[in-house]
Amino acid sequence: RKEVEQDPGPFNVPEGATVAFNCTYSNSASQSFFWYRQDCRKEPKLLMSVYSSGNEDGRFTAQLNRASQYISLLIRDSKLSDSATYLCVVNAGGTSYGKLTFGQGTILTVHP
Amino acid sequence: GAGVSQSPRYKVAKRGQDVALRCDPISGHVSLFWYQQALGQGPEFLTYFQNEAQLDKSGLPSDRFFAERPEGSVSTLKIQRTQQEDSAVYLCASSLRVREQNYGYTFGSGTRLTVV
Repeated sequence: RKEVEQDPGPFNVPEGATVAFNCTYSNSASQSFFWYRQDCRKEPKLLMSVYSSGNEDGRFTAQLNRASQYISLLIRDSKLSDSATYLCVVNAGGTSYGKLTFGQGTILTVHP
Repeated sequence: GAGVSQSPRYKVAKRGQDVALRCDPISGHVSLFWYQQALGQGPEFLTYFQNEAQLDKSGLPSDRFFAERPEGSVSTLKIQRTQQEDSAVYLCASSLRVREQNYGYTFGSGTRLTVV
């Protein structure tokens, strides 16, 4: 079983749609959680951190459920520019430093 | 510079050739990571440096892979006797803190290695 699992998609949605991505992680000692965005042939860039209390940044909402070891990302009112790969990332515990473990990524395409 | 710089941007190597990939992290960043990203996959951890010390090299796939950061700033990832399965994008990331809990890491643009 992979440490971080995501549905690879692809998700194809029209502009204005709401889309949700899910992610599960296996290491219960994991300490911090992120969503990264990666455009085609570009490097991953931090989209947002994920907290147990849930956090929102404009059209984006991230949730963490530690009991279920589950992370989600909700995108409301999708824009064409949201088309990208979304990577679920976990900073596992058990090391003296912040080693990141990435999911496979979920591909999103927003069409007119 | 303002970001993490990697060079070369693209590298084509003949099978069996040695290659060296360079990473210039953000000035003052303590932590430096190397990741390997195969097509259609998420980045996979290779190795970690805290200043000049290589604290974790558990992700290096074979003894053909070697990384160094002798002065705690620039890092080089060397691959000896390249093979076709080494073809991937090699990403470098750095962070100011040892344990980056909230702000994530800054990645370079990567080096796309193609072994022919």
